Amino acid sequence: DAGVIQSPRHEVTEMGQEVTLRCKPISGHDYLFWYRQTMMRGLELLIYFNNNVPIDDSGMPEDRFSAKMPNASFSTLKIQPSEPRDSAVYFCASSPPRPNYGYTFGSGTRLTVV
Amino acid sequence: AQSVTQPDIHITVSEGASLELRCNYSYGATPYLFWYVQSPGQGLQLLLKYFSGDTLVQGIKGFEAEFKRSQSSFNLRKPSVHWSDAAEYFCAVGDGSNYQLIWGAGTKLIIKP
Repeated sequence: DAGVIQSPRHEVTEMGQEVTLRCKPISGHDYLFWYRQTMMRGLELLIYFNNNVPIDDSGMPEDRFSAKMPNASFSTLKIQPSEPRDSAVYFCASSPPRPNYGYTFGSGTRLTVV
Repeated sequence: AQSVTQPDIHITVSEGASLELRCNYSYGATPYLFWYVQSPGQGLQLLLKYFSGDTLVQGIKGFEAEFKRSQSSFNLRKPSVHWSDAAEYFCAVGDGSNYQLIWGAGTKLIIKP
C-alpha cells in the first residue's frame, strides 16, 4: 500500500484565494482525520470522518473551512477565503475500525498564505 | 478531562547515550497509548503502542516503552541513540470510544555528536 497520500506537498497562495487540500486514505481505513500543525498551537484536530460521514467538526476554526469526503478513497479540505493565519502544515491521517491500531499519517501539505 | 503531558520540550543527548522521554496522562480507564515520531518535513510515524498485556512494549527503530498504571506514565526509551533519531516525539492517548486521540505537545530530541 502506498500509505496516506496528500497533495500538494506545498502550497503558496495569496490572501483571499481559495485553497483545496487533498487526501487519499489507505484502502480499508474507515476513519479519516484532518489535523493542522503550527508552532504555536501544536497538533489540532479539525474534523474526522467515519465511512465518509463527518463525525466531529468542532475543531474547524470557522466557516471559511470546509471538508468533504465524497467517497472512501478521497477527501478534501477547503479554505475560502484564505488568510495569513491559516499558514500551517495540514495533515491527513486514516485508521481502520480498530481503536488500538493507531493512525497512519500522510506527509502533509505545507500551506503558506501571503 | 483527558490530558497528556510531555514535560520536556527539548532534550539533548549525546550520540550513543541512552534516552528516556517522559509521558504522563490523565485518564480514568485503561487507555490506549501511542508514541509517534516526526522527522523534519515529514508526517508522524507510529513507533509503538500499548492497549493491554505486557506493560513493556517494543517498537520500531529500537525503541521501547513501559506502561506504569500507578504513575500514569508511558515513557519511551532507547538504550543507545543514533544521530538519525533526532526528531520530535509525540505521545498520544485514546480511549477507543470515538477514535480520537489526545496529543502531548511533543519533545524535540537533539543529538550531540
